[in-house]
Amino acid sequence: AQSVTQPDIHITVSEGASLELRCNYSYGATPYLFWYVQSPGQGLQLLLKYFSGDTLVQGIKGFEAEFKRSQSSFNLRKPSVHWSDAAEYFCAVGAESGNTPLVFGKGTRLSVIA
Amino acid sequence: GAVVSQHPSWVICKSGTSVKIECRSLDFQATTMFWYRQFPKKSLMLMATSNEGSKATYEQGVEKDKFLINHASLTLSTLTVTSAHPEDSSFYICSARDPYSTYEQYFGPGTRLTVT
Repeated sequence: AQSVTQPDIHITVSEGASLELRCNYSYGATPYLFWYVQSPGQGLQLLLKYFSGDTLVQGIKGFEAEFKRSQSSFNLRKPSVHWSDAAEYFCAVGAESGNTPLVFGKGTRLSVIA
Repeated sequence: GAVVSQHPSWVICKSGTSVKIECRSLDFQATTMFWYRQFPKKSLMLMATSNEGSKATYEQGVEKDKFLINHASLTLSTLTVTSAHPEDSSFYICSARDPYSTYEQYFGPGTRLTVT
């Protein structure tokens, strides 16, 4: 069965500092990987996705993620964090089958300090 | 990209009443939709998979008689919370897959349900 682990429940970074949010997945076949961001009281916004090809994926808002099959990881990075990036971040894994839902990690809450 | 809408965005109801939440795919047809529930500061928990023209598939521990799901058309799925209780208060999010898109699910904006 698919599973996603986000080891960090809460991370605090200074504005302008770099960011890396960790995500490890477990899936028997080729995974389809996603990062979503959620602001309080809001729905999910897709940051980026990986299906195949280049393992370094660029997303919106200056985010990128790197798929490492050997480590079963899909970590999210941003070189310089802005205060508006404070939110909850979810990593998710899916499958090719149309009837397979996404499986989400428990999320990492990002706080940004001045 | 594809758009999924939910209605209402928030609703307050009294204990014992029923509430219906609609999930619509606006510019594509979705044979499969998913319903998730999210508790405050928690992750999304899959409740059920909604299949057009057939019965929904519920996850273990989800009461099918309490959370009625109907997927009557290729663009609409509904979740009805029957005989609501305060513990049903939550954020409900639906998603849909475009069968002609690249394995991506499109999420609705969510519905905040508060049962008093």
